[in-house]
Amino acid sequence: IAGITQAPTSQILAAGRRMTLRCTQDMRHNAMYWYRQDLGLGLRLIHYSNTAGTTGKGEVPDGYSVSRANTDDFPLTLASAVPSQTSVYFCASSETGGYAYNEQFFGPGTRLTVL
Amino acid sequence: KNQVEQSPQSLIILEGKNCTLQCNYTVSPFSNLRWYKQDTGRGPVSLTIMTFSENTKSNGRYTATLDADTKQSSLHITASQLSDSASYICVVSSPEGGYNKLIFGAGTRLAVHP
Repeated sequence: IAGITQAPTSQILAAGRRMTLRCTQDMRHNAMYWYRQDLGLGLRLIHYSNTAGTTGKGEVPDGYSVSRANTDDFPLTLASAVPSQTSVYFCASSETGGYAYNEQFFGPGTRLTVL
Repeated sequence: KNQVEQSPQSLIILEGKNCTLQCNYTVSPFSNLRWYKQDTGRGPVSLTIMTFSENTKSNGRYTATLDADTKQSSLHITASQLSDSASYICVVSSPEGGYNKLIFGAGTRLAVHP
């Protein structure tokens, strides 16, 4: 059982370029999330999806978009990358979303550097 | 403003020793409090989850406490091992606008030395 996989592991990107971070889970979880982790700060939620076909904005959604075409995949797209988007990005999933008392399982992360 | 503050920022202890990490929060409404362990270069892994009515919860050598009145939590690690070297993150959950919002602390970086 892989759990959550993310790709790529790391990426260096020129500013202005488009980039999609991939996330796949095999636990058949309904809810999925994207976070960014910056040095000295706690993880911050970018976007979430409580179920396939729906998405919502988190705390820091600007400059990012997501889609949830099916249960397993939740890609994060940077339409035009800027240096402030340099961060480590974590995808997570939980059995359900909403107000549920559910553990979130995290992927291994993608380290993105925008120059 | 909802905040989760952890102390100390970093800690070095010798193998076999005990340690306690602190977490203070100002989050309302409160749903639950979680402690995560994050190894370097990896995603966070859940250690404990406590609701408002739970005062303590253990997971092996890890024991978390919660005082909902003072809005404080602690994570006690007993008989530390080298593999305990990691960042420990306190997370408070709060229901908000259609999802269960998690407010993350910045973490305590623990180094266990032989």
